Amino acid sequence: NAGVTQTPKFQVLKTGQSMTLQCAQDMNHEYMSWYRQDPGMGLRLIHYSVGAGITDQGEVPNGYNVSRSTTEDFPLRLLSAAPSQTSVYFCASSYSETGGTYEQYFGPGTRLTVT
Amino acid sequence: DAKTTQPPSMDCAEGRAANLPCNHSTISGNEYVYWYRQIHSQGPQYIIHGLKNNETNEMASLIITEDRKSSTLILPHATLRDTAVYYCIVRVARQAGTALIFGKGTTLSVSS
Repeated sequence: NAGVTQTPKFQVLKTGQSMTLQCAQDMNHEYMSWYRQDPGMGLRLIHYSVGAGITDQGEVPNGYNVSRSTTEDFPLRLLSAAPSQTSVYFCASSYSETGGTYEQYFGPGTRLTVT
Repeated sequence: DAKTTQPPSMDCAEGRAANLPCNHSTISGNEYVYWYRQIHSQGPQYIIHGLKNNETNEMASLIITEDRKSSTLILPHATLRDTAVYYCIVRVARQAGTALIFGKGTTLSVSS
């Protein structure tokens, strides 16, 4: 298994540009989520999905959109990039969060800089 | 979710056991203790979790006190590759949509 993969690894955007961060997992996990990590802030939940076609907001959803058309993929879209969105973005997946205490598997991260 | 308190940093000699403490004095009866670690710039990695019994897997052991107000993660033979930030997290199971609250964790430095 490749686990959780994320592309790109690095990205530089100008203010106002849009882009999509890709996340895929090959473990047939129902639950997927996106976090951002900023210095001194820990990881904060942006959006999550409990299955294909079902998404919901986390702690810091503003400026981001998600969709889940397949079990494997969970892309994160930045609608109009702002410098405040400069961060490291992690995608995570697990078996159903509502079914037990399953651990989350994290991807390697995407380092985004918005100028 | 209950708040956790961890020392900001610890040192350990290679080959020795690393014992990382965590206080969670307000833990509820249905909250589990999870440990994750984050090696420099990589995604967090799950280590182990438990409810009230001690747990062991191929990576580590988790010792939870009888009153569940604190726990210790034990890396039995630390190596240089165990240098990382270790996070103790307490959360309820079966709770979709709640984030793992990572906090600041303990930076473990393993030296030769």
